[in-house]
Amino acid sequence: GAVVSQHPSRVICKSGTSVKIECRSLDFQATTMFWYRQFPKKSLMLMATSNEGSKATYEQGVEKDKFLINHASLTLSTLTVTSAHPEDSSFYICSAPTGSNEQFFGPGTRLTVL
Amino acid sequence: EDQVTQSPEALRLQEGESSSLNCSYTVSGLRGLFWYRQDPGKGPEFLFTLYSAGEEKEKERLKATLTKKESFLHITAPKPEDSATYLCAVQPHEGGGYNKLIFGAGTRLAVHP
Repeated sequence: GAVVSQHPSRVICKSGTSVKIECRSLDFQATTMFWYRQFPKKSLMLMATSNEGSKATYEQGVEKDKFLINHASLTLSTLTVTSAHPEDSSFYICSAPTGSNEQFFGPGTRLTVL
Repeated sequence: EDQVTQSPEALRLQEGESSSLNCSYTVSGLRGLFWYRQDPGKGPEFLFTLYSAGEEKEKERLKATLTKKESFLHITAPKPEDSATYLCAVQPHEGGGYNKLIFGAGTRLAVHP
């Protein structure tokens, strides 16, 4: 199947700092990517849809100024958690659909805010 | 409101004991239904996409089926390495382009030797 990578896989930061997470489609182009958040033993919650060349679409209740999304190219989307606080600690996962509508997920990024 | 419900929440099987996981859904218009496997601390691994009632897909010990209201993931003669959380997601029709997935809470499967 198609490959989606994320970097970093794990990050620990101090409260008040910003953290950037990268999502790349390695062997295909993705005009759309999705960002999810997952709490322990819970399912995936869609945060936003990242669109190449236009603004991201955020789900209800997700602060767009808190979670900045930039779809810089057809293979890269970034999620920046601004002024992070302990409640932002979570597992963040991105996904990208291929031309045949199969959606592949990255390995996830574990964010811990102290 | 689009909704996905998976049952059971957790399932414990003996190696070789076949069973089925259920995914019930309500959606205004179904574009596709997806099954994923997720291991702890990892991203979901794509298994199947089903698009129409009556469709079936198989991969090794797994077979997914779809009706107008639910999908089943059948596991035949499971092995301990099949232990994981299995996630079901629906993709509603929302115009053109690539649409988001709405996930169920998952079924945590444990297969014991």
